[in-house]
Amino acid sequence: QKEVEQNSGPLSVPEGAIASLNCTYSDRVSQSFFWYRQYSGKSPELIMSIYSNGDKEDGRFTAQLNKASQYVSLLIRDSQPSDSATYLCAVLGGFKTIFGAGTRLFVKA
Amino acid sequence: DAGVTQSPTHLIKTRGQQVTLRCSPKSGHDTVSWYQQALGQGPQFIFQYYEEEERQRGNFPDRFSGHQFPNYSSELNVNALLLGDSALYLCASSPRTGDYGYTFGSGTRLTVV
Repeated sequence: QKEVEQNSGPLSVPEGAIASLNCTYSDRVSQSFFWYRQYSGKSPELIMSIYSNGDKEDGRFTAQLNKASQYVSLLIRDSQPSDSATYLCAVLGGFKTIFGAGTRLFVKA
Repeated sequence: DAGVTQSPTHLIKTRGQQVTLRCSPKSGHDTVSWYQQALGQGPQFIFQYYEEEERQRGNFPDRFSGHQFPNYSSELNVNALLLGDSALYLCASSPRTGDYGYTFGSGTRLTVV
């Protein structure tokens, strides 16, 4: 079992729709969770962090965490073509951050 | 405020050669982590340096080694290069524990021929 699992996609949504990205993790003691966005040919960029169960909103982005189910999600409201990228789920375990393989998102204009 | 700086941007090496990649962390960050990202994959943790020592290591062979200097900058060295070492090498900096996430450099694209 991979430590951090994501659906590789691609996930395709029309402009203005809600994009929903999901992630599961295996280490129950993990306490810090992150979403990074990576445009093609670029390095990852931190867009959200979440540490406690529930929802955390930042602009058009909402991160959701359910530690009992070991599940993290990212919702992108009013999706824009500029949101087209790979979204990496990441979990801090000990001192190292473990990344999933990423989900490719395409937002169609 | 300077972000994370990596050099070189691109590198082409021959199998069996050695390579050194360099990283300067973001101002105020004292911890440097190195990642290898193959095409279409997520970043894989190589190791992390804090207070000039390797604090944690991922599942990479001893051919991969590193160093951190007193100014927090870091080097990644790879010996006896293999074709499979071709990847994007990412440097990420953070304050101490990484609880607040990483700032990544733009990466070094290494091609082994």
